[in-house]
Amino acid sequence: DGGITQSPKYLFRKEGQNVTLSCEQNLNHDAMYWYRQDPGQGLRLIYYSQIVNDFQKGDIAEGYSVSREKKESFPLTVTSAQKNPTAFYLCASTPQGSRTEAFFGQGTRLTVV
Amino acid sequence: SQQGEEDPQALSIQEGENATMNCSYKTSINNLQWYRQNSGRGLVHLILIRSNEREKHSGRLRVTLDTSKKSSSLLITASRAADTASYFCAEYGVGNKLVFGAGTILRVKS
Repeated sequence: DGGITQSPKYLFRKEGQNVTLSCEQNLNHDAMYWYRQDPGQGLRLIYYSQIVNDFQKGDIAEGYSVSREKKESFPLTVTSAQKNPTAFYLCASTPQGSRTEAFFGQGTRLTVV
Repeated sequence: SQQGEEDPQALSIQEGENATMNCSYKTSINNLQWYRQNSGRGLVHLILIRSNEREKHSGRLRVTLDTSKKSSSLLITASRAADTASYFCAEYGVGNKLVFGAGTILRVKS
C-alpha cells in the first residue's frame, strides 16, 4: 500500500540537542512539506520541497533544517536554535504541480525534557 | 502567515444536527480544500473545490465557494459522534506553498 510514514511517533529531546524526524513516502510524489502544530492551533509551514535537491523556507523555518537527497525522503532536523520545539510535527506530500490533495503522515510528537 | 481564517473556532452540536464551518481568504482562491484531523493524528483530505465551481457534494458533506467574498463553507449534515474532529481549509499559495487555516474544532454530542 502506498503511503507516507513518519517516525518516531513520540520523541523526547534534551535541551541543546539536535533531533531528526523522519518522513518517507512511496507515493512517487515530488512535493513534500513539513508543518508544526501547537495545541489547539492550525498548521504552520516549516519547509517544503518541490523536487529532489531543492527546498524552500516556509513561515517558521528558523531553528529547523531539512534535506531532500531522495525523492522518497524529507527528514527534518530540529536544532538547538529552536527555542520552543515542543509540538506536533506533520509531514505531507503531493504530486508536483497538481495542486490537488495532500497526503499526511501520522505525525511525530516532540517533547523537550 | 496562514492564508485562511476559519470560524467558528469551536462548535458543539447534538448528534443529528447540521454543522457549518466557514473559511475566508485574503488572496485569490484557487483549488480550495477541506481536511479533517482526529485528535493526535494526521490530516485526511475531505473534498476539493475548484475556483470555477460554486458547490460540491460528497456524501454528507457540502462545500460552497464564493470567490467574490473570498470565502468557503463546509456543511456536515446529520452529524454523528464520529464526526468529532478538527476541520481545516487549505489553499495553494505562491510557489505551491500549501497553507492551512486555523481550523474549527467540532464536537458532536451523542
